[in-house]
Amino acid sequence: GQSLEQPSEVTAVEGAIVQINCTYQTSGFYGLSWYQQHDGGAPTFLSYNALDGLEETGRFSSFLSRSDSYGYLLLQELQMKDSASYFCAVNQGGKLIFGQGTELSVKP
Amino acid sequence: NAGVTQTPKFRILKIGQSMTLQCAQDMNHNYMYWYRQDPGMGLKLIYYSVGAGITDKGEVPNGYNVSRSTTEDFPLRLELAAPSQTSVYFCASSLDRGNTEAFFGQGTRLTVV
Repeated sequence: GQSLEQPSEVTAVEGAIVQINCTYQTSGFYGLSWYQQHDGGAPTFLSYNALDGLEETGRFSSFLSRSDSYGYLLLQELQMKDSASYFCAVNQGGKLIFGQGTELSVKP
Repeated sequence: NAGVTQTPKFRILKIGQSMTLQCAQDMNHNYMYWYRQDPGMGLKLIYYSVGAGITDKGEVPNGYNVSRSTTEDFPLRLELAAPSQTSVYFCASSLDRGNTEAFFGQGTRLTVV
């Protein structure tokens, strides 16, 4: 079996930094990825970590610690358009299992 | 490239009816997935396929069937629709098991009444 845990909601102000955590319990772990979904839209890929450490893509960074079964998404210089749901997903050899998602609200 | 195309975008079914949700991708991806997403919830994997002719169950397969006769197409069949199947359905694809940048279709919003 597998399970992923993320906070259900996070609120932050424009220009701030926010971290969304994800812990997982799974077998056959290949990596952890992050997706963004705006209301009414389709999920879009943000980043993927196969190895321990930090991956940086512009304002977004993602971190993985395989020994702790833990990862996080870091969003810097928050903008209003970053208000969305964020999902972590484990890759079990191509089978993608998603967490319940974290709703991020960015306030002015 | 159109990416991942799902049809229809919206559908209302009566209890007990059947339908097929269509999904096609033009990126020559080996892996394809079907998810359902209930309001305010995450994506639950229904079925997935690692290549033409190969399909496997995900987290919530009951009440659904799939087939993968070609690399491009991955239809999802609902038999005997039930109100519990009211949801938004997303199809997705990715290149291979190591590359998990999955590309999603725009979704099908299904209501069973």
